Amino acid sequence: DAGVTQSPTHLIKTRGQQVTLRCSPKSGHDTVSWYQQALGQGPQFIFQYYEEEERQRGNFPDRFSGHQFPNYSSELNVNALLLGDSALYLCASSLPLTYQETQYFGPGTRLLVL
Amino acid sequence: AQTVTQSQPEMSVQEAETVTLSCTYDTSESDYYLFWYKQPPSRQMILVIRQEAYKQQNATENRFSVNFQKAAKSFSLKISDSQLGDAAMYFCAYRRFTQGGSEKLVFGKGTKLTVNP
Repeated sequence: DAGVTQSPTHLIKTRGQQVTLRCSPKSGHDTVSWYQQALGQGPQFIFQYYEEEERQRGNFPDRFSGHQFPNYSSELNVNALLLGDSALYLCASSLPLTYQETQYFGPGTRLLVL
Repeated sequence: AQTVTQSQPEMSVQEAETVTLSCTYDTSESDYYLFWYKQPPSRQMILVIRQEAYKQQNATENRFSVNFQKAAKSFSLKISDSQLGDAAMYFCAYRRFTQGGSEKLVFGKGTKLTVNP
């Protein structure tokens, strides 16, 4: 049973560039949530995708956008990168409408903006 | 808005001893879930234990147990017989209950646990 996978594992960009991060959910899961974890902090919710639509959004600017594909995999796009976007980006998948619904996390993508 | 507070930035414990990590939260909801996640240096966030707010019985998972005090909005994690592999960042998280879908997790800032041999 494949868990949540993310790619790439590490990424270095410069200010102003754009980046795309990818996530494949755990087998059987149809909902993907993205979190940003700054160094020394807890994860902060960015947004969640279900049925290829953004279902919930946290307090992040429009520079952060996403997409979900028919196979439930997801992308996180960040435009016009700022130094403050340097963080660990975590993807979590879940299967809502089930009683024991829990979010399972991937290993994350470490983004460094120079 | 819901908030989660972990007042202990760092804790340490001797191998085989017991340690308790604290968490408090603020919510006006009556139905919700609480979680403890472990994040080792490998960065993978791993679910340790979960608690449904409507259940009075405290959750247990092997050496891990919680003390859930709903009125006090407190949710502490007890690790018994600590092992070197328990060393990690521990995050307390809250999720609102909804009938029709997944809700975001709200995390605390974490507690770094060191296990001394």
